Amino acid sequence: DAKTTQPTSMDCAEGRAANLPCNHSTISGNEYVYWYRQIHSQGPQYIIHGLKNNETNEMASLIITEDRKSSTLILPHATLRDTAVYYCIVSRTGGFKTIFGAGTRLFVKA
Amino acid sequence: GAVVSQHPSWVICKSGTSVKIECRSLDFQATTMFWYRQFPKQSLMLMATSNEGSKATYEQGVEKDKFLINHASLTLSTLTVTSAHPEDSSFYICSARGSQSTGEAFFGQGTRLTVV
Repeated sequence: DAKTTQPTSMDCAEGRAANLPCNHSTISGNEYVYWYRQIHSQGPQYIIHGLKNNETNEMASLIITEDRKSSTLILPHATLRDTAVYYCIVSRTGGFKTIFGAGTRLFVKA
Repeated sequence: GAVVSQHPSWVICKSGTSVKIECRSLDFQATTMFWYRQFPKQSLMLMATSNEGSKATYEQGVEKDKFLINHASLTLSTLTVTSAHPEDSSFYICSARGSQSTGEAFFGQGTRLTVV
């Protein structure tokens, strides 16, 4: 599975959009981009995933570049409860493993 | 969204005893389940992958005789930490993936194990 690179940490003001980048320059054509987050002392939470097209759900939007070498997770109106570690993972579907990197620690400040 | 329930949330046990952690998918059939452990300030480390009715596949460096995994049904997997020692103290997390998914996994709330 392709490797991902994310910033170690980011800050965001409450109520503003949080834009979390992820580089995955070695992504293969059949690999999806998945985003999860982990709030302190809890299990990770699935957020969103996509293959080529931009995706949006009730939690976030996922913007994937045309060459698919990078993506951005957007939390449109960040709240204090969005403070967490966000993980960008690239993987094929089916029975493949979900391997976690270091992720980005997002701090939402009042 | 899909719900995965993990029990217990925390457990304290004495050295040398065994501890069983349960992971249940409540509203979907989990064809594949994964077990992770997480030490403070670190990321999740995959321990093993199990498919219903099959033996678990362990990651390199994980002792299969110490961490017994059973995935007997499409809604239940268990992890038993045998002969626990203080160094086994950690946050254990399960996740499950259904046959209908496009690769997304859903996670339990985690179990904090403390071995004294």
